Amino acid sequence: EADIYQTPRYLVIGTGKKITLECSQTMGHDKMYWYQQDPGMELHLIHYSYGVNSTEKGDLSSESTVSRIRTEHFPLTLESARPSHTSQYLCASSAHSGYGYTFGSGTRLTVV
Amino acid sequence: ELKVEQNPLFLSMQEGKNYTIYCNYSTTSDRLYWYRQDPGKSLESLFVLLSNGAVKQEGRLMASLDTKARLSTLHITAAVHDLSATYFCAVVVSYSSYKLIFGSGTRLLVRP
Repeated sequence: EADIYQTPRYLVIGTGKKITLECSQTMGHDKMYWYQQDPGMELHLIHYSYGVNSTEKGDLSSESTVSRIRTEHFPLTLESARPSHTSQYLCASSAHSGYGYTFGSGTRLTVV
Repeated sequence: ELKVEQNPLFLSMQEGKNYTIYCNYSTTSDRLYWYRQDPGKSLESLFVLLSNGAVKQEGRLMASLDTKARLSTLHITAAVHDLSATYFCAVVVSYSSYKLIFGSGTRLLVRP
């Protein structure tokens, strides 16, 4: 049973819409991450968080934003979706010790 | 900036054969992960290698780590069709951020 949950699983949305991808974990992990992955390609880190009220941009520039108001919740928001945002978004978390990363099932986003 | 390189990027092999996937990384790290990803799915953790000389085996897969050479290998023994998937290595950048940086992945196809 998954301890990290992502919703929605699939999303098709029109250009210019605002969207929020949800990610929640029940393990009490301090660290959370968002990765972007095009089909069959490598995963790129776009955001990460050390803990509540702590967020940083990752190695791949992204127009999305994140927040971390509660330990268990790390949503990702796109203010104005574009076709170039079409991708799979994977959320992950790890404990303070950094041993063991748990990945969510992912959100497959299509912007038309 | 940490770079993680995998080769080959694509591997087509017959059932029953052996092969090795290589993962090179550019800066010091003694924590490396191997993941499996099936098409359209999230990541499945295979191995975590924590120290120089570490070797782990599960079924037909064996992973090793040489931190001095900055090299990890994933060896496949007597491949079967069920092993067809994409395999990623991922390296921890630093202990303060615990960012996982992924290689580009190796797409493995095992033919009957």
